[in-house]
Amino acid sequence: QVQLQESGPGLVKPSETLSLTCSVSGFSISSGYYWGWIRQPPGKGLEWIATIHRDGTPYYNPSLQSRVTISLDSSKNQFSLHVRSVTAADTAVYYCARRFPIEYGGRSHYHFDYWGQGSLVTVSS
Amino acid sequence: DIEMTQSPSSLSASVGDRVTITCRASQGVGTYLAWFQQKPGKAPKPLIYGASGLQSGVPSKFSGSGSGTDFTLTISSLQPEDFAIYYCQQYIDYPLTFGPGTKVDI
Repeated sequence: QVQLQESGPGLVKPSETLSLTCSVSGFSISSGYYWGWIRQPPGKGLEWIATIHRDGTPYYNPSLQSRVTISLDSSKNQFSLHVRSVTAADTAVYYCARRFPIEYGGRSHYHFDYWGQGSLVTVSS
Repeated sequence: DIEMTQSPSSLSASVGDRVTITCRASQGVGTYLAWFQQKPGKAPKPLIYGASGLQSGVPSKFSGSGSGTDFTLTISSLQPEDFAIYYCQQYIDYPLTFGPGTKVDI
């Protein structure tokens, strides 16, 4: 059974760096295609932050690209997210997820099929 | 960026009702469209991929249709456990984008 678990500090001060790790069990990160981060501010909708391919190629949301880094650690079966210079607007539940292909209708569909339970990060002094 | 919109933003329904939610993309996404269900305090749960493919373990009362820019999610007979927020998401191109959600309540 594939499981993802986010970990990191629940409170970050403004202007500092938010760092989160997603630990994956039941599946090798190096076998998966893409791994990603999505966030959800309290009471609001979902926002995709970044995705990383198993070969290390990152993809970022342009709205956050200047402040975000996603990375992979295959030896630990983990991937991480760093968001620099945070403000209150970065307060959200952060989810990690697997983006895996399924063949359907003659095409490969890379959809988010497994998610972590989410980690609330509050930005406050 | 591909903007996703959903209608209605919320709806009230009763147990046993047939419910349809609409999702529209600002440009064609083929069938690279997923639907998720989210309950309070929980992670989104995948329901549909490829616009109409049922995620493993999801009951057949959920169905999806559409292609290009217009999509629908239908719940054939609403049950108490179906009251939640439903999101669509396109994955044809980066940045990946979600719809604003449709809240289904009593």
